[in-house]
Amino acid sequence: EVQLQQSGAELVKPGASVKLSCKTSGYTFSNYYMSWLKQMPGQNIEWIGNIYGGNGGTGYNQKFKGKATLTVDKSSSTAYMDLSSLTSEDSAVYFCARATDGYFDFWGPGTMVTVSS
Amino acid sequence: IQMTQSPSLLSASVGDRVTLSCKAGQNINNYLAWYQQKLGEAPKLLIYNANSLQTGIPSRFSGSGSGTDYTLTISSLQPEDVATYFCQQYNSWTFTFGSGTKLEIK
Repeated sequence: EVQLQQSGAELVKPGASVKLSCKTSGYTFSNYYMSWLKQMPGQNIEWIGNIYGGNGGTGYNQKFKGKATLTVDKSSSTAYMDLSSLTSEDSAVYFCARATDGYFDFWGPGTMVTVSS
Repeated sequence: IQMTQSPSLLSASVGDRVTLSCKAGQNINNYLAWYQQKLGEAPKLLIYNANSLQTGIPSRFSGSGSGTDYTLTISSLQPEDVATYFCQQYNSWTFTFGSGTKLEIK
């Protein structure tokens, strides 16, 4: 069974950084892309970027370049996303999702990030 | 590519046939997925490639369309179908989502 386990909720101060994790099981991590997506409360879903589990190759939504950095640890089948220089506009739920040919077939439960002083 | 969903809110009765629409800003060559998101949960994939039913999804859900215009149909609405439904295109990098249709039971 494919499972994506995300790290817990974060409360961070403006200007700080945060690193979110997404630990996977039930499939061959190195054969798939992992995407990260953002959803602000009551809002649309935005695609942040992709990272390939095999070689760590990345692709980003231009809007999130400089804000998000995606990495993987193949040894633990875990994907990570660093968010930097956080502002209130970064307060949202962040999902990791396995990408298959561009659509997202398995999703993590989401991590809520709250940026507040 | 801009994705426009309509209506934004839909109220229907149990057993009704329900149709949700999604319009792309340009031809997306059937590279369209539909997701269901219940309150407080992650989205769930229902349909991919415009009309392929994801494994484990009830057959009352179906997708159709081509070019720029796509439809998600629920043949007989059930109480557990209360959710927000999003479409997503993957024809062009950057992948984009519609703003969603919230489906309620009358």
